[in-house]
Amino acid sequence: EAGVTQFPSHSVIEKGQTVTLRCDPISGHDNLYWYRRVMGKEIKFLLHFVKESKQDESGMPNNRFLAERTGGTYSTLKVQPAELEDSGVYFCASSPTGGAWQYFGPGTRLTVT
Amino acid sequence: KNQVEQSPQSLIILEGKNCTLQCNYTVSPFSNLRWYKQDTGRGPVSLTIMTFSENTKSNGRYTATLDADTKQSSLHITASQLSDSASYICVVSASTGTASKLTFGTGTRLQVTL
Repeated sequence: EAGVTQFPSHSVIEKGQTVTLRCDPISGHDNLYWYRRVMGKEIKFLLHFVKESKQDESGMPNNRFLAERTGGTYSTLKVQPAELEDSGVYFCASSPTGGAWQYFGPGTRLTVT
Repeated sequence: KNQVEQSPQSLIILEGKNCTLQCNYTVSPFSNLRWYKQDTGRGPVSLTIMTFSENTKSNGRYTATLDADTKQSSLHITASQLSDSASYICVVSASTGTASKLTFGTGTRLQVTL
């Protein structure tokens, strides 16, 4: 069974540009989560999808971040326009309905220069 | 504010030795506590998960303890191996109605050497 996959693994963009990160959860997992780790800090929650609906987006830092999960399968996280402080590793995780375990993807390392 | 603090920040031990990592938390309302192992360049992988009523949980050479009264947890690694070199992250889940939120510690970076 394939795990959670994320694309790209690395992205280097200039301040002001747009970047879109993609997450493919484990097949059949209704819950999908986005997290971010800024260098030197702990991983922090961004938002939670249940199927295609946003269950909780209280961790989204500002309106430059837009997450979607059309069709309830894969999800995208767009940053537009990117700022220097957006640099970090963005993790996606998924879990089945009622499941306590979250399975994490390898993360996307975003560097904004 | 929900917080998870881990110590030590980093640790170097010889292969075959044991070690214990610490986690203190202030998370409310408490749902469960998890320990994750994160290898370099990879996502965190769950090792153990404990609810309020559990005070110990083992997964092979990894044994986690939980003291819900003092809000402390530890992860003990027995007979360490080179492959144990990784970051170990303590994560506490707060059950907040319809969604559970995870509060992460900054991790303990463990290096096992020959």
